[in-house]
Amino acid sequence: NAGVTQTPKFQVLKTGQSMTLQCAQDMNHNSMYWYRQDPGMGLRLIYYSASEGTTDKGEVPNGYNVSRLNKREFSLRLESAAPSQTSVYFCASSTVQETQYFGPGTRLLVL
Amino acid sequence: RKEVEQDPGPFNVPEGATVAFNCTYSNSASQSFFWYRQDCRKEPKLLMSVYSSGNEDGRFTAQLNRASQYISLLIRDSKLSDSATYLCVVRSHTGGFKTIFGAGTRLFVKA
Repeated sequence: NAGVTQTPKFQVLKTGQSMTLQCAQDMNHNSMYWYRQDPGMGLRLIYYSASEGTTDKGEVPNGYNVSRLNKREFSLRLESAAPSQTSVYFCASSTVQETQYFGPGTRLLVL
Repeated sequence: RKEVEQDPGPFNVPEGATVAFNCTYSNSASQSFFWYRQDCRKEPKLLMSVYSSGNEDGRFTAQLNRASQYISLLIRDSKLSDSATYLCVVRSHTGGFKTIFGAGTRLFVKA
């Protein structure tokens, strides 16, 4: 099993550009999450989806949108990237509020 | 005050040493506790859950002190491969599920 996969691995954007980060899991998990990780800070939840068809804001949702395309896929979109969104983005999945399994991350640099 | 606090370290220890990390949490309603391990430029992975009575997994021992609101991780006979960042994770189940990650404690084990 691949577990949780994310694309792309790296991305450089200019301020104002848009992009979508893709995430897919093959563990038949109901819940999926998007986090960002910045130096000196813990993982911060951007959005989560408790089950297919539902999405909810996390701690830092501003500047992001998400789509739970189906049970497997959960995408994160930056409509107009800002330098403050330079970060490492992790997608995770879990059964209902159990252990979260993380993807390998996407390193994003916004110039 | 952060909801979950950890000493960022780094802890520099020789091979074979015993090292302990603490993590404090502010929400007394927290119900589930975990330690994750994160290698440099990799995703976090579950190391172990922390149970009320304390639990052990090989060289790793986790303890929970609800009265003082902290959890601990003890690593015995440190190996070079233990070098990583250890993330404390606290989950509360009141008013919906909420998972908070600490910023992590860095450990370097040297030969």
